[in-house]
Amino acid sequence: ILNVEQSPQSLHVQEGDSTNFTCSFPSSNFYALHWYRWETAKSPEALFVMTLNGDEKKKGRISATLNTKEGYSYLYIKGSQPEDSATYLCAFRDPGTYKYIFGTGTRLKVLA
Amino acid sequence: NAGVTQTPKFQVLKTGQSMTLQCAQDMNHEYMSWYRQDPGMGLRLIHYSVGAGITDQGEVPNGYNVSRSTTEDFPLRLLSAAPSQTSVYFCASSYRGDGNYEQYFGPGTRLTVT
Repeated sequence: ILNVEQSPQSLHVQEGDSTNFTCSFPSSNFYALHWYRWETAKSPEALFVMTLNGDEKKKGRISATLNTKEGYSYLYIKGSQPEDSATYLCAFRDPGTYKYIFGTGTRLKVLA
Repeated sequence: NAGVTQTPKFQVLKTGQSMTLQCAQDMNHEYMSWYRQDPGMGLRLIHYSVGAGITDQGEVPNGYNVSRSTTEDFPLRLLSAAPSQTSVYFCASSYRGDGNYEQYFGPGTRLTVT
């Protein structure tokens, strides 16, 4: 069974702080890693799809990097705002299949 | 586009009852999937489909059936509901399942089995 781990489990930061989270996945035979943002009472929404070692993606104040050789991806939020409060999920595509294995998420709370 | 729609939004079943959760998408996506979300467990894949007529099992398929007769629809059937199936169910679709395209999620169905 593939293990996709996210850390920390939860995080409280002050408005304006920058923060980052980690998604760890098996480093052998990588296909793709997705990041999703999931606000309370809503559905997960895609942030990034990362497929190549060294990928860096950016959307506004949020960015992500990928290291497939060591099996991790970082999600960064610069200058956190209260509207960034959400659970951030990563999903790893099981190599050789069409299955996606989700981590349990990092719950971010940004305090005004 | 309506995106991914799911019905019903809420459902209460008694143990042993059967029902079908509906999922439809209007984006002509080949890939569709069902997940369940339980506290502390994240999203777990139940079944998925890479196109009409093609389905396969995910991590937690027991107690659930699926079929994909059209590109648009991907219903999830609970054969004999059990309290362990109390969960929030999300349907998702993607242009392809090869990892290069993000999944779009429906609003979810909250199911309680008593």
